[in-house]
Formats: sequence, structure tokens, C-alpha cells
Amino acid sequence: GDSVTQMEGPVTLSEEAFLTINCTYTATGYPSLFWYVQYPGEGLQLLLKATKADDKGSNKGFEATYRKETTSFHLEKGSVQVSDSAVYFCALSKVAGNNRKLIWGLGTSLAVNP
Amino acid sequence: KAGVTQTPRYLIKTRGQQVTLSCSPISGHRSVSWYQQTPGQGLQFLFEYFSETQRNKGNFPGRFSGRQFSNSRSEMNVSTLELGDSALYLCASSFGAGGSHEQYFGPGTRLTVT
Repeated sequence: GDSVTQMEGPVTLSEEAFLTINCTYTATGYPSLFWYVQYPGEGLQLLLKATKADDKGSNKGFEATYRKETTSFHLEKGSVQVSDSAVYFCALSKVAGNNRKLIWGLGTSLAVNP
Repeated sequence: KAGVTQTPRYLIKTRGQQVTLSCSPISGHRSVSWYQQTPGQGLQFLFEYFSETQRNKGNFPGRFSGRQFSNSRSEMNVSTLELGDSALYLCASSFGAGGSHEQYFGPGTRLTVT
């Protein structure tokens, strides 16, 4: 079945370090891919998305490229800040007829130290 | 535009009781989804409503039920509460029921069952 696998956390980095959070997926067809972020005590927020192969989503310095050949959607940021400390979720969406499925990874916790 | 609101934000109940949680979607959004978030299981899909009809359902027992009203507001009910139902319950709204699945999340209701 369809699934999303994220690298396990927690990830701990120093401020200004480079961030990569790996996400791979298994799905038939042509899913859309998302990264959501959950700051402490809050709900999830859409961080970026890509709807077709080779699309690059970007927002707030974060980027992720939809790689169909490697079934991946890795999240990257060149220089993290303390305020980026949060849990990051990778997800995929598929539409089949009148139904759609949103499948989530388990989340990766990121802690950025000053 | 106001975001997704959920009430109450915090709730403490006793085993065996029932609880009703409420979600008001973003104005104009007709789809509402519910999720249960726990540290061990991550984000688990409960159900999705669109135009007052349940469109999708996750793998939860029948104690978990929901409904959607004509104004798109949604309620979730859990009967005969168990300790394992303690979780953050998240509601998410989106404009339609098809296409790319960009969801907007509320802050969640933290349910504690004692």
C-alpha cells in the first residue's frame, strides 16, 4: 500500500547548520507531496508542496524537490535558526475517483541550539 | 480570514465518559478532516467530511464518530472513553474534496482521560 517514510528523530543542530530531513514514499500513480511543520503547542502548518515530478517547493528558506526516480521529497534548509525547532511531517496525497487519501509520515523532531 | 478554530482547547475526562469536540473550518472550506495525534503513533486519520457526508474513514473503532453541519462546522464524538484515547485531536479544513490536498489545521484539542 501507499506509505511515507521519514528519517527518525530527534535531529539536533546548531544554529546556521545545514538541515536535511529525508522523506521517501511508496505510491502508485502521481501523488502530490507536502511538508507540514508543527511548532510546540500548535497545530500543523503547510510548509511547502509539490504536485508533480521535478517540482520544487520552497518557503521560509526551506526547499524540497519531488524526485519521482528516487521516490523522495527531502526537506532542506541552508542555515537553520532556533525558531525552526519544531516537528516536521512529510505527507502524500492521492485522488482516486471521488476519494482522496492523505498519508503521513511519523514526523521528525528538530531541535536547533543557539 | 479567520483560521480553523477548535473548542475546547483542553479537556479532562474520566474513563467511560463521552466527549464531543468541535471544529469550525475556514470560511468557504467545505471539507473537514479529523486526526488523532499521539507521541507513539504519530498522526492518524479518523475521518473526513465534505458537504455533510463522510467521505473517508480511518481504522478507528465505532466509538469514534463525527458529523458535519450545513455550515461546514464539524463535531467529533468519542463514547466510552478509554485511557488510550488521551491525545491531541486535530481538525483540518480544505476547500474541496479533490485535487491537491492542502489542508489548514486548527490548534487542536488536548484530551486527557483519567
